[in-house]
Amino acid sequence: KQEVTQIPAALSVPEGENLVLNCSFTDSAIYNLQWFRQDPGKGLTSLLLIQSSQREQTSGRLNASLDKSSGRSTLYIAASQPGDSATYLCAVTPSGNEKLTFGTGTRLTIIP
Amino acid sequence: DVKVTQSSRYLVKRTGEKVFLECVQDMDHENMFWYRQDPGLGLRLIYFSYDVKMKEKGDIPEGYSVSREKKERFSLILESASTNQTSMYLCASSPIGPGLAGVQYFGPGTRLLVL
Repeated sequence: KQEVTQIPAALSVPEGENLVLNCSFTDSAIYNLQWFRQDPGKGLTSLLLIQSSQREQTSGRLNASLDKSSGRSTLYIAASQPGDSATYLCAVTPSGNEKLTFGTGTRLTIIP
Repeated sequence: DVKVTQSSRYLVKRTGEKVFLECVQDMDHENMFWYRQDPGLGLRLIYFSYDVKMKEKGDIPEGYSVSREKKERFSLILESASTNQTSMYLCASSPIGPGLAGVQYFGPGTRLLVL
């Protein structure tokens, strides 16, 4: 059974710093991996989706990488801002499946 | 823009009540999903539906049922609410097609408190 882990559960960094969030998964037979953002009490917004054949995706200050063979993904946030404070979740889509398996998230706080 | 709406943002119910959570999407998506989200446990899939009147159990279907009479609407039913069903409930929808597996659009969530 696929398991997705995100460590640490919470992270605080000063504004302006670059940071990396980590995600690991146990079964490398995935179709894609996504990073989502969730603001308190709200739904999820997809930030980046990496297909299994890709190594990375970029959107603005965000860069996500995927190493399928080692079961790892990272989300790099450059020049962090207070508005980046949120919970970040990664999720994998198993091959041949429409369902997502989520990690438990990292709660990020950017200190002004 | 895809819009997924949920009937209530906050709901308070009593133990034993029958509870309906409604979800509507406006993009003609084939797939719809119900999740619950609890601290430390993440999002867990309760049920999903890949077509009208079709449903499939997720990881934690016990105590829940679903209804999909129309393509745009997916209802989650708690037949007899219990305190351990206090949670945040999230609905999502997704299209089908090449390269779209896993692309889900989420509603704002319903925070349910069962007393």
